[in-house]
Amino acid sequence: EAGVAQSPRYKIIEKRQSVAFWCNPISGHATLYWYQQILGQGPKLLIQFQNNGVVDDSQLPKDRFSAERLKGVDSTLKIQPAKLEDSAVYLCASSSQGPNTEAFFGQGTRLTVV
Amino acid sequence: QKEVEQNSGPLSVPEGAIASLNCTYSDRGSQSFFWYRQYSGKSPELIMFIYSNGDKEDGRFTAQLNKASQYVSLLIRDSQPSDSATYLCAAHNTDKLIFGTGTRLQVFP
Repeated sequence: EAGVAQSPRYKIIEKRQSVAFWCNPISGHATLYWYQQILGQGPKLLIQFQNNGVVDDSQLPKDRFSAERLKGVDSTLKIQPAKLEDSAVYLCASSSQGPNTEAFFGQGTRLTVV
Repeated sequence: QKEVEQNSGPLSVPEGAIASLNCTYSDRGSQSFFWYRQYSGKSPELIMFIYSNGDKEDGRFTAQLNKASQYVSLLIRDSQPSDSATYLCAAHNTDKLIFGTGTRLQVFP
C-alpha cells in the first residue's frame, strides 16, 4: 500500500513570496490533516478535511494560508505571503473515518523562509 | 491551557530500564489517544493507541488510560538506545486529532 506522498521535500523562499505544498493521501482515506511543526515543538493542526469538506481550520492563519482538497483526494496548502515565522515542517497525514483510526504521515515539506 | 500537555524532557534512562512518559488532556470529549514516536528529522510513526480505561500492552510498550483523571501514559520496558526519540501524545475527538509538544527520551548505554 502506498503511503502519504508529499512534495516538495524542501523549499527555501524569501519572505513575502508565495509557496504551495501538495499532498496525496493513502487511497480511500477520507480524512486529511495538515500540520505545522516548528523545530522542537509538536505538530500543530492547521486544517482537517473530511472528504472535500473542512472539519476544522480554527488554527489556520487565514490571512495568509489557504488549503483545498478538490474531489476529496489530493490537497494543496498555500502560503501567501510567507513570513519568517512560517519556517517549519509541514506534515500531511491521512486516516480512515472514525476516532480509533491511525493517522499516517507523509515525509513532510521543510520550509525555510529567509 | 493547552489541549494536550506533555513534559518536554529530556527524560534520560539507562539501557534496560523502564521509561515512563506522561500526558494529560483537557477535552473530556476526547475518545481515543495515540502515542507516536518521532526520530529527529523524520515524520511521526504510530506506536500504539488506546481508547478504553486501563492498560494496553504491545510488546515492550504499555499504554495506560485514566479518563477520570484525563491522563494517558506510555511505559517502555527494557529501554534500548534505539528508543531514543521524541514521543508525541495525541488526543482524538470527533472533530480533530491534537498533539502535545512531545517528550524527548534519551536512553544511554
